[in-house]
Amino acid sequence: GESVGLHLPTLSVQEGDNSIINCAYSNSASDYFIWYKQESGKGPQFIIDIRSNMDKRQGQRVTVLLNKTVKHLSLQIAATQPGDSAVYFCAEYNFNKFYFGSGTKLNVKP
Amino acid sequence: GAVVSQHPSRVICKSGTSVKIECRSLDFQATTMFWYRQFPKQSLMLMATSNEGSKATYEQGVEKDKFLINHASLTLSTLTVTSAHPEDSSFYICSARDSKGTGKAFFGQGTRLTVV
Repeated sequence: GESVGLHLPTLSVQEGDNSIINCAYSNSASDYFIWYKQESGKGPQFIIDIRSNMDKRQGQRVTVLLNKTVKHLSLQIAATQPGDSAVYFCAEYNFNKFYFGSGTKLNVKP
Repeated sequence: GAVVSQHPSRVICKSGTSVKIECRSLDFQATTMFWYRQFPKQSLMLMATSNEGSKATYEQGVEKDKFLINHASLTLSTLTVTSAHPEDSSFYICSARDSKGTGKAFFGQGTRLTVV
């Protein structure tokens, strides 16, 4: 399958700080990307998406940046809250399928 | 927003029995649904792509006869784990893509399968 986000880092941030979660993808032909949040024992929850014809997209407290040159995605969370603690995955859409990266665990310290 | 319902959320079965998991898109039509498997502290591994009205396409290494997929309507796909064994115990997650609308993929809440 596709290779997306081979690293599994854990990110610890202080409540109120901004968080940046990174993801690498391998297929330069991928044209659609989604960030998901997964809490323990639950299915992934859609956060924000971006198409390959864009470099940046903003949502509520979240921003996704896409750098196609280096095949890199990032998710920025502003004013991180305890409720943001979860595992975050990026997913790459290619060949009519979604492939997931290995995820990043975000710990928000009060 | 779009909702995908997966049932059951938890199931315990005996070795050798079969278990069926349902995935429904509640407010949109999904010509394509995806089935994933997730081990603890790992990412989602795509098992197969379920296409409405046609055979599912399986990822390399996934046994077709072991994991039977049926996508009989635009809102329902089922995954049947046949002759389950303890090593099949896992978290199974379905996803449905709103291909006629937003193009986004939404996920069910997952099914925790334990084979004893």
